Amino acid sequence: EAQVTQNPRYLITVTGKKLTVTCSQNMNHEYMSWYRQDPGLGLRQIYYSMNVEVTDKGDVPEGYKVSRKEKRNFPLILESPSPNQTSLYFCASSLEGADGYTFGSGTRLTVV
Amino acid sequence: RKEVEQDPGPFNVPEGATVAFNCTYSNSASQSFFWYRQDCRKEPKLLMSVYSSGNEDGRFTAQLNRASQYISLLIRDSKLSDSATYLCVVHAMGGYNKLIFGAGTRLAVHP
Repeated sequence: EAQVTQNPRYLITVTGKKLTVTCSQNMNHEYMSWYRQDPGLGLRQIYYSMNVEVTDKGDVPEGYKVSRKEKRNFPLILESPSPNQTSLYFCASSLEGADGYTFGSGTRLTVV
Repeated sequence: RKEVEQDPGPFNVPEGATVAFNCTYSNSASQSFFWYRQDCRKEPKLLMSVYSSGNEDGRFTAQLNRASQYISLLIRDSKLSDSATYLCVVHAMGGYNKLIFGAGTRLAVHP
């Protein structure tokens, strides 16, 4: 089944403790992105990648890192999480970027 | 001004009603346009792409007016299962690759 898989689905952590949210797609898509969704603000892009080793900042990159060492994986790294990073995170992938994205099921992160 | 603006709703309609959602976007260089559906606490799912000529998929019709930078979605014969938030999405090119999401319009269809 073609899909984008994120893990974990739910995570509660403490301020400053490094964490990684994994994202993997099995569709051989070139484009991958990370978004966060907050009430009243909609989905905002954190980082995106157009291919292996090619990544760039989105609208809200502060406090996040990403890497794209393989086409299928695009992990999101929070080196020192803070409470304002409490949010619902989605990973998404697309074959060409302009043809619509497939989203993962989301990761609900709480930083206390 | 937001890059993509939608009426937040909620739209409360009875089953069988026809409902229309509107969306405006600010970047005239936008290339592709979509409607996504998002159920509560779930991931957005692509409902349909939007083309200048207009396109229809069953009970759903999408229209794009590039001159007015306006996108619409029409749902005919609403079903209870149509209850969700509908996201207007614009794909911007020009040196970067980015989906810009509207905040969404909530639809509640009641018996």
